[in-house]
Amino acid sequence: SAVISQKPSRDICQRGTSLTIQCQVDSQVTMMFWYRQQPGQSLTLIATANQGSEATYESGFVIDKFPISRPNLTFSTLTVSNMSPEDSSIYLCSVVLALNYEQYFGPGTRLTVT
Amino acid sequence: AQKITQTQPGMFVQEKEAVTLDCTYDTSDPSYGLFWYKQPSSGEMIFLIYQGSYDQQNATEGRYSLNFQKARKSANLVISASQLGDSAMYFCAMREFNTGNQFYFGTGTSLTVIP
Repeated sequence: SAVISQKPSRDICQRGTSLTIQCQVDSQVTMMFWYRQQPGQSLTLIATANQGSEATYESGFVIDKFPISRPNLTFSTLTVSNMSPEDSSIYLCSVVLALNYEQYFGPGTRLTVT
Repeated sequence: AQKITQTQPGMFVQEKEAVTLDCTYDTSDPSYGLFWYKQPSSGEMIFLIYQGSYDQQNATEGRYSLNFQKARKSANLVISASQLGDSAMYFCAMREFNTGNQFYFGTGTSLTVIP
């Protein structure tokens, strides 16, 4: 399995500001993902964080709003830019272990935008 | 079409009883994996069980088993001997191995265990 940590665990931010969420994994992983879970909803994939290249974004998500960095195989950041109340969600990073295809999630970051 | 369908928004089960959470999926990829996750009120996503499309036997992990019916494209989660701590949201997910890395999640089932 993989142990994943996220910082911050929660935050309350003002409209128009930006927040950077960090994701740290205890082992080197190739595939790393960022998800959003709006209140009472399922998970929606934001992007795949690729090491050494730009992230691959899903439909409805753009780099200007959600810039992602992946400087190495154990770390990634997601920035939520120019926040609005609609960005209030849980943001989760996840990794897939190539050996067993299992996907593991970090504990999530609860973001509230006022 | 929805890749993953969970038709039970909410379920109740008596403590110590077994419960089945339904999941159907849609894919044309012959190589895929099916996953179940538990999300308690704390928000973390906990991996429970995995079933590969080529696995001959149903997956089991402790009190969790996956009733895999390939022809019907269903992957129901069975929780035996329910405990109060099993109360949570449960999500079914699928990954298609030949068509990309994305995981598709269902809308979830909220399980409440009654003492």
